[in-house]
Amino acid sequence: AQSVTQLDSQVPVFEEAPVELRCNYSSSVSVYLFWYVQYPNQGLQLLLKYLSGSTLVKGINGFEAEFNKSQTSFHLRKPSVHISDTAEYFCAVSPRGSQGNLIFGKGTKLSVKP
Amino acid sequence: NAGVTQTPKFRILKIGQSMTLQCTQDMNHNYMYWYRQDPGMGLKLIYYSVGAGITDKGEVPNGYNVSRSTTEDFPLRLELAAPSQTSVYFCASSYDRVSHEQFFGPGTRLTVL
Repeated sequence: AQSVTQLDSQVPVFEEAPVELRCNYSSSVSVYLFWYVQYPNQGLQLLLKYLSGSTLVKGINGFEAEFNKSQTSFHLRKPSVHISDTAEYFCAVSPRGSQGNLIFGKGTKLSVKP
Repeated sequence: NAGVTQTPKFRILKIGQSMTLQCTQDMNHNYMYWYRQDPGMGLKLIYYSVGAGITDKGEVPNGYNVSRSTTEDFPLRLELAAPSQTSVYFCASSYDRVSHEQFFGPGTRLTVL
């Protein structure tokens, strides 16, 4: 079985400051890793994904994440946030060989203040 | 492309009533999924389909049914609605399990009173 833990339920940050949203996972099999973003009253949108290769993955809107296999982590980072980054961010895993099913963490609400 | 569309956007049901949540995608995706999102709990998979005529249970299927008669449509049926089914429901689709990018609809907010 797989599980995903997002260590912070809420992260307040000032505009133009750096941010890191933490994600750890547990799985008995290899997994693919994802970050999705949900803006208020909208569906989820893919930010980035790790399938294989380089452990540093760049996504949309200036976000990046690094896969650390030994620590089973996939933390999301942005060097300078904007007000428009205010949203809820979900980390998810999908077991290799599955039908693409996603197992989500509980989400982290990022609030960017002016 | 409209992407993934869901209807209705909002619905209030009484306990014991039934309804169907509609989901349609116009991207010719083979894989479709239904999730529910409860506050502070992330999303949980209800049912999924890997193609027309093929469906399978996810993590929380009890109280729901699905069908997939066409590639485009993947309706979710609630029979005998219960307060525990109050949630936001999201439909998603994916071209295949290799690309692993799921495209989500805008959601249906359901309240059961």
